[in-house]
Amino acid sequence: GENVEQHPSTLSVQEGDSAVIKCTYSDSASNYFPWYKQELGKGPQLIIDIRSNVGEKKDQRIAVTLNKTAKHFSLHITETQPEDSAVYFCAASNGRVGAQKLVFGQGTRLTINP
Amino acid sequence: NAGVTQTPKFRILKIGQSMTLQCTQDMNHNYMYWYRQDPGMGLKLIYYSVGAGITDKGEVPNGYNVSRSTTEDFPLRLELAAPSQTSVYFCASSYEDREAQYFGPGTRLLVL
Repeated sequence: GENVEQHPSTLSVQEGDSAVIKCTYSDSASNYFPWYKQELGKGPQLIIDIRSNVGEKKDQRIAVTLNKTAKHFSLHITETQPEDSAVYFCAASNGRVGAQKLVFGQGTRLTINP
Repeated sequence: NAGVTQTPKFRILKIGQSMTLQCTQDMNHNYMYWYRQDPGMGLKLIYYSVGAGITDKGEVPNGYNVSRSTTEDFPLRLELAAPSQTSVYFCASSYEDREAQYFGPGTRLLVL
């Protein structure tokens, strides 16, 4: 089955700097890659996603890149702000027949230092 | 829309007790999911449903049961609580297959 590895487990950056979180996946059939942000005591919230027919996607300060050959994808946050502090999860799904079964990475705790 | 709602927010169970975690969504989503999140870990799929009356096992189904009698509700049942089921449980829903999943706020369960 699919296996998703996420690095780093913790990341601390200065406010205004960029943050990058990387994930690798094992199933070459995976074709959907969402990123979730989880604030303390809350459920994960989708912040951006990408499908395998696209190499990069941007939404304001957030971008995701996908390298299908290397089977890795990354989250890029530019001009970081204190409210970006949270735990971020990547996930992958092969979207085979039936429900989309997401396999999650272990999470990255991002801390933005003022 | 309230989105995905879960009750209770927190519960303490004794070993061997049973309980039902409630999940309701008001987005008319066909697909619903139950995940558990252990401390410092990612989420693991317990059960999912592709529509009323249809459920299937995820990665970690042992010790749990589900039912889906309506589009809106997807309760998760623990029959004989064990300490290994101490976790935070999240319900999620999506409109269609291969679409974004929306999560509820979670239920924190402690089994002692």
